[in-house]
Amino acid sequence: QLQLQESGPGLVKPSETLSLTCTVSGFPFTRDSYFWGWVRQAPGKGLEWLGSIQYGGSTYYNPSFKSRLTLSVDTSRSRFSLSLTSVTTADAAVYYCARLTFTRYFDVWGRGSLVTVSS
Amino acid sequence: DIQMTQSPSTLSASVGDRVTLTCRASQTINKWLAWYQQRPGKAPNLLIYETSILETGVPSRFSGSGSGAEFTLTISSLHPEDFATYFCQQYHTPPWTFGHGTRVEV
Repeated sequence: QLQLQESGPGLVKPSETLSLTCTVSGFPFTRDSYFWGWVRQAPGKGLEWLGSIQYGGSTYYNPSFKSRLTLSVDTSRSRFSLSLTSVTTADAAVYYCARLTFTRYFDVWGRGSLVTVSS
Repeated sequence: DIQMTQSPSTLSASVGDRVTLTCRASQTINKWLAWYQQRPGKAPNLLIYETSILETGVPSRFSGSGSGAEFTLTISSLHPEDFATYFCQQYHTPPWTFGHGTRVEV
């Protein structure tokens, strides 16, 4: 059964870089037609798509984050990562990793990783 | 970006009620709409995709309809576990965007 698990620091200082990794298990990470993505949810707020990546490295970024966001993959470890630079308190949120289908809805989600931004 | 507007923001209901949630897109998105359920402290869970197709394992009391820019999610008879927040998402045009959610409460 497909599972996604986020990992990374729960606390990041303002102006620093937020880094998270999502490990995929129970599914061939390199299967075509699927993308892997990140969605975040600030406390009490809605959902916001940050970006998506395919196993081969093709990426799609939300323009709102494009200047600060980098996604990468490590196919040998079936995982993908997020790097968000110059964070502010507005970046504090639960960050979810998820699988995107061919048509780009999110069919499987990780449990989420809470990130606090504070000095 | 395509804006997704959900109404109402909060819906008060009782077990056994039939409820309908609405999602409107700022432009036509054809059938490219998904619905998610999120319980407190949990990740979203896919309920419906392509406007009306139930994800495997989702109870048949959930149904979706609509086209163009206006869509609905109906729960035919609320169960206790259905009290949650529901989000719609368009995947017609990137960036993929979500509505702000409808909270279904007792």
